[in-house]
Amino acid sequence: GNSVTQMEGPVTLSEEAFLTINCTYTATGYPSLFWYVQYPGEGLQLLLKATKADDKGSNKGFEATYRKETTSFHLEKGSVQVSDSAVYFCALPVNAGGTSYGKLTFGQGTILTVHP
Amino acid sequence: NAGVTQTPKFRILKIGQSMTLQCTQDMNHNYMYWYRQDPGMGLKLIYYSVGAGITDKGEVPNGYNVSRSTTEDFPLRLELAAPSQTSVYFCASSRDQGYGYTFGSGTRLTVV
Repeated sequence: GNSVTQMEGPVTLSEEAFLTINCTYTATGYPSLFWYVQYPGEGLQLLLKATKADDKGSNKGFEATYRKETTSFHLEKGSVQVSDSAVYFCALPVNAGGTSYGKLTFGQGTILTVHP
Repeated sequence: NAGVTQTPKFRILKIGQSMTLQCTQDMNHNYMYWYRQDPGMGLKLIYYSVGAGITDKGEVPNGYNVSRSTTEDFPLRLELAAPSQTSVYFCASSRDQGYGYTFGSGTRLTVV
């Protein structure tokens, strides 16, 4: 099945710093790729997604580009805020094509803390 | 705009007790999932359902059971609770494959 490796954290940044959280994957075919965010005490929320190679997903100032050459989907933000402090998860379907039934496999999560 | 609703939010169980975690969605999604989240371990799939009356095991189904009698509800049953089931449990739903999930707010379960 497919798998995902996410950069280990935690990551600590000052407000307005540039953020990169690395995510690489192993997959059959070209599955959709996702980033989820989990704010303290809450469930996960879909942050952005990309459905094919070279697609760029974006939301709330975050971006990630689907790179098939490097099998990567790194999350970036140009200027982080204290309110971005959360846990970020990279995810993709567990199998290729229609056999995944929407099931996702998640990275272990990266804790981001942003200080004023 | 309820989305996915999970109850209870917190629960403490004694070893050997049973309980049901409730999950309801109001988006008419066919696909529903139960995950558990352990610290630093990401999420692991327990069970999933692709429609009313259809369920199947995920990666870590032992000690759990599910049912899906309606599109809206997908309860997770714990029989004979064990300390290894101490975790945060998330229910999620999806409109279709590839659309991403809507998650509930989670149930924090402690087994003592």
